[in-house]
Amino acid sequence: SQQGEEDPQALSIQEGENATMNCSYKTSINNLQWYRQNSGRGLVHLILIRSNEREKHSGRLRVTLDTSKKSSSLLITASRAADTASYFCATSQGAQKLVFGQGTRLTINP
Amino acid sequence: NAGVTQTPKFRVLKTGQSMTLLCAQDMNHEYMYWYRQDPGMGLRLIHYSVGEGTTAKGEVPDGYNVSRLKKQNFLLGLESAAPSQTSVYFCASRQSTVEGQPQHFGDGTRLSIL
Repeated sequence: SQQGEEDPQALSIQEGENATMNCSYKTSINNLQWYRQNSGRGLVHLILIRSNEREKHSGRLRVTLDTSKKSSSLLITASRAADTASYFCATSQGAQKLVFGQGTRLTINP
Repeated sequence: NAGVTQTPKFRVLKTGQSMTLLCAQDMNHEYMYWYRQDPGMGLRLIHYSVGEGTTAKGEVPDGYNVSRLKKQNFLLGLESAAPSQTSVYFCASRQSTVEGQPQHFGDGTRLSIL
């Protein structure tokens, strides 16, 4: 069963706008990761946020985590055409495994 | 530095045929994983390995077998392919036993079973 569920499933915005994607999960976690997948390629790790953190930044990425609501959000500011991809959240299931959500497909229109 | 390399990139099989997918990593990672990705389903874990000579079942192991005879290689086998195994298969590796370490992915093998 999927631990994380992304919302929306698909998002289309204009270049320069901000994109926000949400992830909800079911059980307690120690950390949550976000990955990006370009068309026809493997997943690439973007950022990790630990359960004792509420917000984390990396370049144009901002991730928040609300453990009381069991949810996380990924914000991409000043979007670019190159940000067009699918984005997945993943939660750790023990020390060995990750459980991925179904992903948000982001399209940046020029 | 190649990272994670999957072979082959594409393959078409007939129902009942067998094949092996190869994953090789050059990062000296301990953990390796096999996932399948289907439309609208995200990634689902098939099997994984926490070190040379070890394997464990993931979420959807039925119809697949794996072997990790060498630390750098993780093989996924389909003994008798079925149309339901049409999917994109991804291999990943991870450096250490510390929770939260990122997984590094190959670019996938696109497999069609006719």
